[in-house]
Amino acid sequence: GAGVSQSPSNKVTEKGKDVELRCDPISGHTALYWYRQRLGQGLEFLIYFQGNSAPDKSGLPSDRFSAERTGESVSTLTIQRTQQEDSAVYLCASSLRLAGSDTQYFGPGTRLTVL
Amino acid sequence: AQKITQTQPGMFVQEKEAVTLDCTYDTSDPSYGLFWYKQPSSGEMIFLIYQGSYDQQNATEGRYSLNFQKARKSANLVISASQLGDSAMYFCAMREGGSNDYKLSFGAGTTVTVRA
Repeated sequence: GAGVSQSPSNKVTEKGKDVELRCDPISGHTALYWYRQRLGQGLEFLIYFQGNSAPDKSGLPSDRFSAERTGESVSTLTIQRTQQEDSAVYLCASSLRLAGSDTQYFGPGTRLTVL
Repeated sequence: AQKITQTQPGMFVQEKEAVTLDCTYDTSDPSYGLFWYKQPSSGEMIFLIYQGSYDQQNATEGRYSLNFQKARKSANLVISASQLGDSAMYFCAMREGGSNDYKLSFGAGTTVTVRA
């Protein structure tokens, strides 16, 4: 596709349930990133993939959060036993990882609401 | 310590006028990049402009320009000839060099409302 796509666009779940968020990066982009945006705030880095390897998982808030990526394609962010504080917009981005600007291009996000 | 500071939570601007959005940053890394993104109410983050720390000239992209003052560690975004469609949240972000040269650190954002 032309840009980064994410699904679902909205997800409402009950506390304690598991959720999976999906990201399709721009074709050919080797790097993929997940960020979280709480209401009215800036973005927090969660995890970075180079290919299907995740050199930096330091931003994942707890061990309830995990992510995987298939090759240089789709990534899935999984949140187990969701809590109300997990409510946020989860944004995915991808880039070419070239020297210089290496601009990250973002998807539309998944708005997660935990009741 | 905050790496990116945006001190203006919200701003109003008249259509066709220019507006300047403030951004200061904090890094000891000599190699870094500064980005501005626009986030309309739809939620998508749209890349606007990039400035590298070694770039000699201020970046420009159409109606967007970046006022880069390295000694002051500021990277203000100037939007000229504002349009109603410019109403959105604007985020300043930085990518440092070295081993963390992939993650972006974002400011809290500035909401811009363009009035007709």
